[in-house]
Amino acid sequence: DAGVIQSPRHEVTEMGQEVTLRCKPISGHDYLFWYRQTMMRGLELLIYFNNNVPIDDSGMPEDRFSAKMPNASFSTLKIQPSEPRDSAVYFCASSRTETYEQYFGPGTRLTVT
Amino acid sequence: AQKVTQAQTEISVVEKEDVTLDCVYETRDTTYYLFWYKQPPSGELVFLIRRNSFDEQNEISGRYSWNFQKSTSSFNFTITASQVVDSAVYFCALNGAGGTSYGKLTFGQGTILTVHP
Repeated sequence: DAGVIQSPRHEVTEMGQEVTLRCKPISGHDYLFWYRQTMMRGLELLIYFNNNVPIDDSGMPEDRFSAKMPNASFSTLKIQPSEPRDSAVYFCASSRTETYEQYFGPGTRLTVT
Repeated sequence: AQKVTQAQTEISVVEKEDVTLDCVYETRDTTYYLFWYKQPPSGELVFLIRRNSFDEQNEISGRYSWNFQKSTSSFNFTITASQVVDSAVYFCALNGAGGTSYGKLTFGQGTILTVHP
């Protein structure tokens, strides 16, 4: 079975530009999570969805960040405008209600110059 | 609030040594789940194990074993006869089972394990 798919794997952009990260969860999983990993703050939960509905976005750092899940097989995390402090690895993860086990994608390494 | 503490920032061992990674957690949930993840140098996060709060049986999987002690709020991970391929960052994590706690996978800061040949 295919795991969680994320694209792009690497993104380099200039400050002020819009960045869109994409995620395809594991088929059949009803929860989708977005995390950010930095050296300073470790792994942080940004937002998660259940059955395509956002449940908790309290981890989203500010209004420049937004996330959508238009259907069960696709989600996006958008940063507009991007800033150098947004540089991090962004992970998407998915899980099924019954197991609570979250499976992570390979991550997107974002560099904002 | 949930909290996971991995007191060991870095551990260095020589191949074939046994090594234990410590994890202590705090939660107000009566039902919760504990996890260990491995992050090798390639960067992906690999799920290793899930333990339910109501199941205190220890578990062994090959060279890996986990010791869950609810009385001390600890969920320690032991690698027996370590190998170079075990070199990675290991994360302990906690997930509340219901209500607003669900989905809030709280991670520890990670332990960097280096296994030298």
